[in-house]
Amino acid sequence: KAGVTQTPRYLIKTRGQQVTLSCSPISGHRSVSWYQQTPGQGLQFLFEYFSETQRNKGNFPGRFSGRQFSNSRSEMNVSTLELGDSALYLCASRPGLYTDTQYFGPGTRLTVL
Amino acid sequence: KQEVTQIPAALSVPEGENLVLNCSFTDSAIYNLQWFRQDPGKGLTSLLLIQSSQREQTSGRLNASLDKSSGRSTLYIAASQPGDSATYLCAVGQYSGGGADGLTFGKGTHLIIQP
Repeated sequence: KAGVTQTPRYLIKTRGQQVTLSCSPISGHRSVSWYQQTPGQGLQFLFEYFSETQRNKGNFPGRFSGRQFSNSRSEMNVSTLELGDSALYLCASRPGLYTDTQYFGPGTRLTVL
Repeated sequence: KQEVTQIPAALSVPEGENLVLNCSFTDSAIYNLQWFRQDPGKGLTSLLLIQSSQREQTSGRLNASLDKSSGRSTLYIAASQPGDSATYLCAVGQYSGGGADGLTFGKGTHLIIQP
């Protein structure tokens, strides 16, 4: 089976712009989660989608949003980019919820100038 | 709020040594604990998953234990190899009022195995 894929892998934006990141989960996986990784804060949970519904959300401002499509693919959007949004954004998928192992993609490296 | 701490933050040992990485968490109401490795600039690779009802899991040279009541987990790596060099991350999953929270991660242990 193909692993979790994320596009694009690298992205450079300027402050004030918006960005959309994409994640394709492992075939058959219905849950997709998003995480932000920075040197200072480490890995932090953004949100999780299951069957097109947001199940839970981390402590991030409303500028961070996401959605999931009927084929389980997910997108994450960040509006009005700030310098502090520069990070590695990781997507993870799993078959269901709770007890399943999460499988991570390679991430999208976002740089905000 | 759940907090996960990993000790040590960095570790450098010669090849062949057995080593232990430590993880502690403040809230014992977890449903599982996972250990991951991350190579520089890459995503995370799941190493071991321990359900809350389990005490340990083993995979090859890796063994992870979980003591939920004391809020601790250890990752034991036997006969370390240079290819084991990476950052090792511990993460816990727990329930909240709205369902399952996302994983809460520690800051990781940066491991270097010297040839």
